[in-house]
Amino acid sequence: QVRPVQSGAEVKRPGASVKVSCKASGINFNDYYIHWMRQAPGQGLEWMGYIRPNSGGTNLEQKFRGRVTMTRDTSSSTVFMELSRLGSDDTAVYFCARDGYNLGRPFFDYWGQGTLVTVSS
Amino acid sequence: DIQMTQSPSSVSAVVGDRVTITCRASQDISSWLAWYQQKPGKAPNLLMYTASSLQSGVPSRFSGSGSGTDFTLTISSLQPEDFATYFCQQAHSPPYTFGQGTKVEIK
Repeated sequence: QVRPVQSGAEVKRPGASVKVSCKASGINFNDYYIHWMRQAPGQGLEWMGYIRPNSGGTNLEQKFRGRVTMTRDTSSSTVFMELSRLGSDDTAVYFCARDGYNLGRPFFDYWGQGTLVTVSS
Repeated sequence: DIQMTQSPSSVSAVVGDRVTITCRASQDISSWLAWYQQKPGKAPNLLMYTASSLQSGVPSRFSGSGSGTDFTLTISSLQPEDFATYFCQQAHSPPYTFGQGTKVEIK
């Protein structure tokens, strides 16, 4: 199936960090913005920020600045999202998604399958 | 931040029904709005973008309308595979916020 492929579920202790990967599979990543969202159990979607793989430029939602790092490996068409100083309220499914229209306003046409991050002591 | 408010939060319907979901933005977002469908345990799926443009591969029973602050997603004749949760998302300015979702349930 043509979609980004994300890394597997993680269980982390409070205060730890987690790094989630998102690899292009059958779709072009390098010419598009790749965004990250998360969804806490039973909740709606929360936008976290984006990375432009061809330049490495990022834009993060203010509440995540200082705690989230987004990077990329162009050779493998993979982007990464690292979240540090985890707390229980970071327990969520994390999604990467491509902004497929490059209109300067994002509409997400391809989504990864999601990565469940559980923070528990 | 732009707040997105959907109504209703849930709707019960039968196959063949016409279903309408509303999304209201806390400020003018022009036509910078998307609609997504999400099924349990799955990623969202883009249905509509720029408020009224149908994403490739999405059935024509889905349609979107509105501009400014008030938007509507309509399913003209509900099919069994349409029972899911629907979200709106504003693409006007960051942070790109989503509505809280509308669950379409079997009546």
